[in-house]
Amino acid sequence: EPEVTQTPSHQVTQMGQEVILRCVPISNHLYFYWYRQILGQKVEFLVSFYNNEISEKSEIFDDQFSVERPDGSNFTLKIRSTKLEDSAMYFCASRQGDYGYTFGSGTRLTVV
Amino acid sequence: AQSVTQPDIHITVSEGASLELRCNYSYGATPYLFWYVQSPGQGLQLLLKYFSGDTLVQGIKGFEAEFKRSQSSFNLRKPSVHWSDAAEYFCAVVFNNYGQNFVFGPGTRLSVLP
Repeated sequence: EPEVTQTPSHQVTQMGQEVILRCVPISNHLYFYWYRQILGQKVEFLVSFYNNEISEKSEIFDDQFSVERPDGSNFTLKIRSTKLEDSAMYFCASRQGDYGYTFGSGTRLTVV
Repeated sequence: AQSVTQPDIHITVSEGASLELRCNYSYGATPYLFWYVQSPGQGLQLLLKYFSGDTLVQGIKGFEAEFKRSQSSFNLRKPSVHWSDAAEYFCAVVFNNYGQNFVFGPGTRLSVLP
């Protein structure tokens, strides 16, 4: 079954550093998402992306965050200057039509 | 405003006992409904989903869920719990007027006694 692939599975970064989280969505999917889960909390929506632009973003997705689809296969989340509170599990998801939601296995980001 | 609630933060059951995890949502129409399971430090695994049609949905690992429109609920059930079912369970909802984005419930942690 097709999968959404996220790399790396775990990343440790120093506070203030830039980090890029990578995702390879399912190839024929058109809608892409990033979600975040702080340890012990629920999963929260960050941003959705369609047709090479952001279609919706949450309050969490401030100017420190950006997303990009640099080529035909990757979908990235960049955090410009990481803060301790950015430590979380980040999930990428992709969708085709109304039904084909698929989540990746996540990247655990630890900011020290 | 749309919301998803899971009233039980933590549930403990004995192995072999039945299980029901509750999920309620607030929305004027019928959303898309999902249950995910997450083991510690792991990703989200889809158990089952409901879009339309038969309100009793079968999923993986012996789980099922029933959509009740009148109660705005989508409760997850399993007739006999196994020790390996211990995990965090999230109800997730796509509200169709909310950009097709998931709204997750706060989760229910399931512990299983031997």
